Amino acid sequence: AQSVTQPDIHITVSEGASLELRCNYSYGATPYLFWYVQSPGQGLQLLLKYFSGDTLVQGIKGFEAEFKRSQSSFNLRKPSVHWSDAAEYFCAVGASASGGSYIPTFGRGTSLIVHP
Amino acid sequence: DSGVTQTPKHLITATGQRVTLRCSPRSGDLSVYWYQQSLDQGLQFLIQYYNGEERAKGNILERFSAQQFPDLHSELNLSSLELGDSALYFCASSAASGANVLTFGAGSRLTVL
Repeated sequence: AQSVTQPDIHITVSEGASLELRCNYSYGATPYLFWYVQSPGQGLQLLLKYFSGDTLVQGIKGFEAEFKRSQSSFNLRKPSVHWSDAAEYFCAVGASASGGSYIPTFGRGTSLIVHP
Repeated sequence: DSGVTQTPKHLITATGQRVTLRCSPRSGDLSVYWYQQSLDQGLQFLIQYYNGEERAKGNILERFSAQQFPDLHSELNLSSLELGDSALYFCASSAASGANVLTFGAGSRLTVL
């Protein structure tokens, strides 16, 4: 069965500093990979996705992620963090299920704290 | 606003009771997913419907059931509620059943006392 590991439960950075959130997945086939962000009291919003092609994908809000098959990783990066980026970040892998469905399995999330 | 509407936003009830959570998918989306988010389990997939039919089932308890209606809205029914059912329940929708991006609603927070 597929799984997603986000090793860091909390990450604290200063505003303006660079950010990297780690994500490792376990899935036998070619994965569909996602990063979502959840602000307090809100639903999950898609930041970016990887289905195929260029392994470096650009997303919204200045985020990017790189798919590394050899490391089974899909780390999220941002060169300069803003205070408004403080939120919970979820990595997910889309895995095939019955009837042709692909069901995203989510990691436990990384809480990003931004210091002024 | 994601376009996925969930009601109610908050619900407080007692053990043993039954509740119904409602979801209206984004316009044009045929597939609806239900997830449960709790502190100890994280985001757990419950069930998926596509155009009225059940497509995939996850860790959904027998006390829980769902359906998708002809107008594509979906309901998640939770019965014989236990304290451990307290969680945030998310609905998400996508255009199709296959590899797609899910658009999430704001969630329904259920508190069982």
